[in-house]
Amino acid sequence: DAKTTQPNSMESNEEEPVHLPCNHSTISGTDYIHWYRQLPSQGPEYVIHGLTSNVNNRMASLAIAEDRKSSTLILHRATLRDAAVYYCILRPGESGGTSYGKLTFGQGTILTVHP
Amino acid sequence: EAGVVQSPRYKIIEKKQPVAFWCNPISGHNTLYWYLQNLGQGPELLIRYENEEAVDDSQLPKDRFSAERLKGVDSTLKIQPAELGDSAVYLCASSLGPGDGYEQYFGPGTRLTVT
Repeated sequence: DAKTTQPNSMESNEEEPVHLPCNHSTISGTDYIHWYRQLPSQGPEYVIHGLTSNVNNRMASLAIAEDRKSSTLILHRATLRDAAVYYCILRPGESGGTSYGKLTFGQGTILTVHP
Repeated sequence: EAGVVQSPRYKIIEKKQPVAFWCNPISGHNTLYWYLQNLGQGPELLIRYENEEAVDDSQLPKDRFSAERLKGVDSTLKIQPAELGDSAVYLCASSLGPGDGYEQYFGPGTRLTVT
C-alpha cells in the first residue's frame, strides 16, 4: 500500500485557518486521497476525499498538487471542536485488487487548537 | 439516523479468558469492517465483510481471533484466549460499499484491557 507522510503535530488558534500537509510521493494513478479525523475517545470520521481536483465540502477543503504527490487539508476557521488526530490516507481504486477500497491509517497529525 | 453501535464500550478480562465484541452497522450498509487500534497508533484493518462473506481477513490472527457476520447484518469479533498484547481499542465500521464514494462510518469502539 502506498504510504503517506504527515507532521506528528500542529497547533492553531481558534478561528484561524489551518493547513495540514500530507506527502504521498508513491501515489498511483488510481489512488484516492482521503482524510479522516479522530476526536478523543471516538472512532474516526470522514472529512473529505479527492482524486485530482481540489474539493470543498462543509467541513473542509482539499488542495491536491498537480503531480498528486502531496495534498493539503484546509480548515478555514478552526474551532476547539476541530482538535483531533487527522489522518491522510491513500485509498486504492478499482484496480487495487484485494486492496480495493482499503483504508490504511498512519499515525496522523495531532492538531491542537488554542482558545 | 443511528450510527454504528458497538458493545460493550469497555471490557476488562484476565489473560487466557475469552472475550467477544458485538457490532450493529448502519442499516443498509453491506460492507462491515473490524479494526484494531493500539495506543498512539492509527487503526489497523482486521477483517472486511461484504454481506456475509469475509473478503479480506489477511490481517486477522486466526489462531486466536475469529469473526462472523450472520445474515449480513450484525457482526461479532471473538478472541480466545486473550493475551496481554491484545489490550487495545477494537473499532467497527460500515459503509454502503467497499469502493470510493462510500465513506466508512465508525463506531465508538470497545476498549479491551487484558490483565
